[in-house]
Amino acid sequence: AQKITQTQPGMFVQEKEAVTLDCTYDTSDQSYGLFWYKQPSSGEMIFLIYQGSYDEQNATEGRYSLNFQKARKSANLVISASQLGDSAMYFCAMREGTQGGSEKLVFGKGMKLTVNP
Amino acid sequence: DTEVTQTPKHLVMGMTNKKSLKCEQHMGHRAMYWYKQKAKKPPELMFVYSYEKLSINESVPSRFSPECPNSSLLNLHLHALQPEDSALYLCASSLDRERTDTQYFGPGTRLTVL
Repeated sequence: AQKITQTQPGMFVQEKEAVTLDCTYDTSDQSYGLFWYKQPSSGEMIFLIYQGSYDEQNATEGRYSLNFQKARKSANLVISASQLGDSAMYFCAMREGTQGGSEKLVFGKGMKLTVNP
Repeated sequence: DTEVTQTPKHLVMGMTNKKSLKCEQHMGHRAMYWYKQKAKKPPELMFVYSYEKLSINESVPSRFSPECPNSSLLNLHLHALQPEDSALYLCASSLDRERTDTQYFGPGTRLTVL
């Protein structure tokens, strides 16, 4: 079963507008971590934001915020005031327990965001 | 500083060559990872080292051989690769193996096998 679902293959947004990237997840663990990464065409995976399953507040990091709805198992990334440099692939990922540790970071398929001038 | 460095940035090798990918971090992280990423796909975990010991091998073919000489360095030795092994190889590190520990990635090595 797919653990992380990103249904939007691609999105377009105008510069300076806000955009929401969808992510739903599936886990039976009570304790887990949710992460968003950005991957520009250069290839580097850039960490954007983290949300813990027990965190009561939605995470925010500068222009990035996470709309965390635990009951619905969704962790949508909101980018405010889009910039041309935000054009990239975006991956939602979850870290849950495995036997002996929590090494596995499970990624969604990703979605491509294009910011238009 | 959350920097993970990888060398080389690009690598072209023949199927009979032996080469190595290198990864380095100086953040005091105790867990290090190798991922393989094909075009338009998410990264796939290959190996995990925890406290310099191999803790996960995701059934990776033996032509890929990881090595962790010390807590800051991670190598991936390549031998007798196939063209289908061409991909972006990403190294990552995290403080430890907790669910809350963020994995920080390096810039990757783009490998082409001829």
